[in-house]
Amino acid sequence: AIQMTQSPSSLSASVGDRVTIRCRASQDIKNDLGWYQQRPGRAPRLVIYSVFNLERGVPSRFSGSGSGTEFTLTISSLQPEDFATYYCLQDYSYPWTFGQGTKVEIK
Amino acid sequence: EVQLVESGGNLVQPGGSLRLSCAASGFTFSSFWMSWVRHVPGKGLEWLANIKQDGGEKNYVDSVKGRFTISRDNAKNSVYLQMNTLRAEDTAVYYCARNPGGNSAYDLDSWGQGTLVTVSS
Repeated sequence: AIQMTQSPSSLSASVGDRVTIRCRASQDIKNDLGWYQQRPGRAPRLVIYSVFNLERGVPSRFSGSGSGTEFTLTISSLQPEDFATYYCLQDYSYPWTFGQGTKVEIK
Repeated sequence: EVQLVESGGNLVQPGGSLRLSCAASGFTFSSFWMSWVRHVPGKGLEWLANIKQDGGEKNYVDSVKGRFTISRDNAKNSVYLQMNTLRAEDTAVYYCARNPGGNSAYDLDSWGQGTLVTVSS
């Protein structure tokens, strides 16, 4: 199975900060990478699909980049509702695998 | 509006069985792959299985292969997860999610609210 490694595991940031989360795949997954947001007690929500495409209804402060094995999720100006755990997911090959998650906490 | 509603979660003893259901509405169910994903409390997400539009292809993660079975009934707009030989480590919130795609699935673009499965004696 393809392993997905996220960094950092957690971070503390303030409202208005720029935040970057990284995800590394153990092999080339082309552009088959999405990012998911999960607030406590809530279902996950698709934020970015196919590396850089913004899901409908997601604010433009979210962006994604990368290809192959290295990917990045950036939040340009952190808002209170963005404090959550973020996961990358590869759907290039089965079994699909998530990264371990990055918890974004309030500083 | 897309809606996915899971049910069937419960407290079950190790070695027991449980069947989860997910009722879909607000979209043409028979046109989408469907997945099950779980979230272990305090840990991360784990994709478990998905099933093609006509049920003709199913994929599983190794940790549940041979114990869990995904199925669907397009007439009832529902997808199911039959879970057998349950273990303590299967304790989690279980979500169903929709996969866009035709011949191949990708993404998890809509999720249910989840149903809690607790495996304990």
